[in-house]
Amino acid sequence: ETGVTQSPTHLIKTRGQQVTLRCSSQSGHNTVSWYQQALGQGPQFIFQYYREEENGRGNFPPRFSGLQFPNYSSELNVNALELDDSALYLCASSPKGQVATDTQYFGPGTRLTVL
Amino acid sequence: AQSVTQLGSHVSVSEGALVLLRCNYSSSVPPYLFWYVQYPNQGLQLLLKYTTGATLVKGINGFEAEFKKSETSFHLTKPSAHMSDAAEYFCAVSYGNNRLAFGKGNQVVVIP
Repeated sequence: ETGVTQSPTHLIKTRGQQVTLRCSSQSGHNTVSWYQQALGQGPQFIFQYYREEENGRGNFPPRFSGLQFPNYSSELNVNALELDDSALYLCASSPKGQVATDTQYFGPGTRLTVL
Repeated sequence: AQSVTQLGSHVSVSEGALVLLRCNYSSSVPPYLFWYVQYPNQGLQLLLKYTTGATLVKGINGFEAEFKKSETSFHLTKPSAHMSDAAEYFCAVSYGNNRLAFGKGNQVVVIP
């Protein structure tokens, strides 16, 4: 069984640019959550997608947006990049996202550097 | 707002000694509680979780944690540290919406 995969592994962008990060959820999982992990910090919840609909959002501005596709893979888009967007972006999938105790399975992350 | 406190960003422990990582949450409503481990250049892996029932939870790799409602705590322990336990450990809470709020983490260093 393939776990959660993310691409690319690393990415370097300049301030003001736009970036798209991709996530393939684990087989059979219908919910994807995105987290931002700044250096030396714990991950922070960005948003969650359940069956192609946004299902909750953390304290992030609208320039952070996402999509979930019919196969439950997902994209995170960030517009107008700022230096503070430099972080590890983690994707997590869960089999039954509407179950509160559901375990989230994390991918290895995408390291974004904004210069 | 949900808040998770993990004291001591770096924790050094001798090989074979007890590992103790502290986690406290700030809420009058008990949350669901999780411990995750992150090895270098890898994603987070679930060690254990508490949802309901028995307050002492056993996880993978010999770790366990005890939920103490009166102390709003969920401390992680392992009786004997191994070199392979060197990693970063995160405590997280959820209040029924499947969204995790993490602490800042503990970087564990195991001294031979």
